[in-house]
Amino acid sequence: EVQVVESGGGLVQPGGSLTLSCAASGFTFSTCWMSWVRQAPGKGLEWVAEIKEDGSVKYYVDSVKGRFTISRDNAENSLYLQMSSLRAEDTAVYYCARVVVTPTFHFDYWGQGRLVTVSS
Amino acid sequence: IVLTQPPGTLSLSPGERASLSCRASQSVSSSDLAWYQQKPGQAPRLLIYGASSRATGIADRFSGSGSGTDFTLTISRLEPEDFAVYYCQYRETFGQGTKVEIK
Repeated sequence: EVQVVESGGGLVQPGGSLTLSCAASGFTFSTCWMSWVRQAPGKGLEWVAEIKEDGSVKYYVDSVKGRFTISRDNAENSLYLQMSSLRAEDTAVYYCARVVVTPTFHFDYWGQGRLVTVSS
Repeated sequence: IVLTQPPGTLSLSPGERASLSCRASQSVSSSDLAWYQQKPGQAPRLLIYGASSRATGIADRFSGSGSGTDFTLTISRLEPEDFAVYYCQYRETFGQGTKVEIK
């Protein structure tokens, strides 16, 4: 059974840092693109970042470039999102999702999400 | 590319047919258009990918169609568990969602 399970998150002050982790199982992690998608309270879905199978290619939404870093450890079947210089507008539930890029692009498996709250 | 999902809310009764719209600001490839369902407190669930292919385990009352700039998710007969928010997605862009609520 395919599973992605996030951990980390919580309350952090503006300007602070936090790292989210995502543990994958039930599939060959090293052959899949992975992504982070977030959802602010009461709002819609926003793609945040994605990373190629071998970690050699990374993409970010403009609003987090230079502040967030996506990475992966294929030996540990794990995905990470390092977040720094956090702002109130980064407050959201963050989902880890597996990405299918070919022949169609979509997010087929999602974790349960972790809440990140940026507040003083 | 901007995806627009009018209306923001659809009020329907169980057993009725639901047609949800997703409009792209420019023509997009159908192969990269997907639909998701999200219930309160839950993660999104993939329903449709490639504009018209049902994901694994999705009931056949859900169907997708469209091309170019106009796409539709149809729920043939609404079941009580179908009342939720639905999002369309093209590559890294999501629509703002349509809430299907009980009338």
